[in-house]
Amino acid sequence: GDSVTQMEGPVTLSEEAFLTINCTYTATGYPSLFWYVQYPGEGLQLLLKATKADDKGSNKGFEATYRKETTSFHLEKGSVQVSDSAVYFCALRSTSGTYKYIFGTGTRLKVLA
Amino acid sequence: GAGVSQSPSNKVTEKGKDVELRCDPISGHTALYWYRQSLGQGLEFLIYFQGNSAPDKSGLPSDRFSAERTGGSVSTLTIQRTQQEDSAVYLCASRYLPHGKEETQYFGPGTRLLVL
Repeated sequence: GDSVTQMEGPVTLSEEAFLTINCTYTATGYPSLFWYVQYPGEGLQLLLKATKADDKGSNKGFEATYRKETTSFHLEKGSVQVSDSAVYFCALRSTSGTYKYIFGTGTRLKVLA
Repeated sequence: GAGVSQSPSNKVTEKGKDVELRCDPISGHTALYWYRQSLGQGLEFLIYFQGNSAPDKSGLPSDRFSAERTGGSVSTLTIQRTQQEDSAVYLCASRYLPHGKEETQYFGPGTRLLVL
């Protein structure tokens, strides 16, 4: 079945460092891909998405490119801030059957001042 | 309301008791999802409602778990004879599906369940 694998955390970076959180997927067809973020004490919210190959999703300085050839959707940010500290979830929406979403296990990011 | 709401926010129960968790989706959203988030785990899909279609129950972990959605709006997730491994945060999300495809799910704050 469909699945999402993302790098384990926690990831600890200094402010202004470059961030990459790896995400790869297994799916039939062409799923839509998402990154969700969960800030401390808050609910999950959509960070960015891409619905077809080579699309780039971007928001709040974060970017991710839908790479069909490598079945990846890595999250990047050029210069992280303390306020980016959160848990990041990669997810896909299945194209088979129902509109079911499959989430990765989440990667905790901690940014130090 | 402005967003998805869930109640209660926290629930502590004794092993073997039944619990009911409630989700109020965003008004007009036709799709509703339940997920479970256990410590150190990702979001585990439980069940999905879409309009009047039969729900996708493929993620329910056992027959102790059930959910219903009344009138296409409010949903209740029921866990019977709770076990300690049921302890988790239960998240609800809703999505608007107009004629096209709207991908964004909006999540509620979750219900934190602790089974003693």
